[in-house]
Amino acid sequence: EGQLLDSGGGLVQPGGSLRLSCAVSGLTFSSYAMTWVRQAPGKGLEWVSGITATGGNTYYADSVKGRFTMSRDNSNNQVYLHMASLRAEDTAIYYCATGRYIQGRFDYWGQGTVVTVSS
Amino acid sequence: IQMTQSPSSLSASLGDRVTITCQASQDIRDYLNWYQQKPGKAPKLLIYDASNLETGVPSRFSGSGSGTTFSFTISSLQPEDIATYYCQQYDDFPITFGGGTKVEIK
Repeated sequence: EGQLLDSGGGLVQPGGSLRLSCAVSGLTFSSYAMTWVRQAPGKGLEWVSGITATGGNTYYADSVKGRFTMSRDNSNNQVYLHMASLRAEDTAIYYCATGRYIQGRFDYWGQGTVVTVSS
Repeated sequence: IQMTQSPSSLSASLGDRVTITCQASQDIRDYLNWYQQKPGKAPKLLIYDASNLETGVPSRFSGSGSGTTFSFTISSLQPEDIATYYCQQYDDFPITFGGGTKVEIK
């Protein structure tokens, strides 16, 4: 059974940068697409970005396109979300999630890491 | 693709049948999943491809629908079902979620 451990959240000033990480175990990592989903305080779920199993293709929500970059290291079973030009509205719990296909169900989720953008 | 979920909240008695609907702004075939999220926890997949029960999920949960109209049902509400439920489409990018339905005990 897959286990995901997200990390890297914290307090950052508007305009700043942060890198989130997600370590995956219990799965053949290189066979799974990866996704980041966020949840602003008291709000619903918002898909942020996704990356195919090989890392050859990435997809982004319009709200983060050009500011966030998703990548993966299949030799180290990790996926990353580099967030730049952060805004107050990026404040949220960020979850990594995975499924076999970039478009499909999210079978496994991390516990979430909190990002707060504030001066 | 906009996903409109209703109701946004509901209150029901233990043992009641509970139904949540999700309306897509365009045809998404059966490319729809349902998740349960309890406070302070990550979402959990319950139903995939509109009507398939995820392994280990109790059979009181079910889903149906295709095209633009979908429903999710709890046949007999249990105390551990108190949570917020979300639909999610994956027919096209960006992947989108419904706004959520908070289920409470009356």
